[in-house]
Amino acid sequence: AQSVSQHNHHVILSEAASLELGCNYSYGGTVNLFWYVQYPGQHLQLLLKYFSGDPLVKGIKGFEAEFIKSKFSFNLRKPSVQWSDTAEYFCAVSGMISGGYNKLIFGAGTRLAVHP
Amino acid sequence: DVKVTQSSRYLVKRTGEKVFLECVQDMDHENMFWYRQDPGLGLRLIYFSYDVKMKEKGDIPEGYSVSREKKERFSLILESASTNQTSMYLCASSFERQEDTQYFGPGTRLTVL
Repeated sequence: AQSVSQHNHHVILSEAASLELGCNYSYGGTVNLFWYVQYPGQHLQLLLKYFSGDPLVKGIKGFEAEFIKSKFSFNLRKPSVQWSDTAEYFCAVSGMISGGYNKLIFGAGTRLAVHP
Repeated sequence: DVKVTQSSRYLVKRTGEKVFLECVQDMDHENMFWYRQDPGLGLRLIYFSYDVKMKEKGDIPEGYSVSREKKERFSLILESASTNQTSMYLCASSFERQEDTQYFGPGTRLTVL
């Protein structure tokens, strides 16, 4: 069974629309949480991460994510998307769920297409 | 800036061939990883190495082996390539610290005919 679930496989938005991509994980222990992004033709890169502290995490390019422990969720948000945000987004988790904090388990990914 | 490089962006091999995928990182990272990326499945860990000559199986090690003779280099080996190993292969590296993140290479798209 998938331990990290991304609710939407494909999302299509117009520029300036708001974005929220869901991510849920199936384990209740301590976890580290990540969002990675893969732009067309580019390598996977870190968007933001949560280890501890403020559950609202801000990342690059105006993205943010909120860790809600009670819901085992780490949803990614952006108030106003741009065409350049077209990419595939991956949620990832490390901890006991992945067999150790050095190892990541990834969701299936969400392909976002933003139309001008 | 962390740099993780992979030996080829595209590779085409025939069934039964032995295939080597090379990965090099320049940040003195202890940990190195090999993943495969398939549509709808995300990234799945094949093998992981936390030190020179040390390796650990990931979630899908069958049909693969690895070699880490030097800290900066981690090789993935397909002993006898099969068509179901057609995929995008990603290498990553990180420091040993729990809080560190993984840095990824550009990937090698392998096609096995």
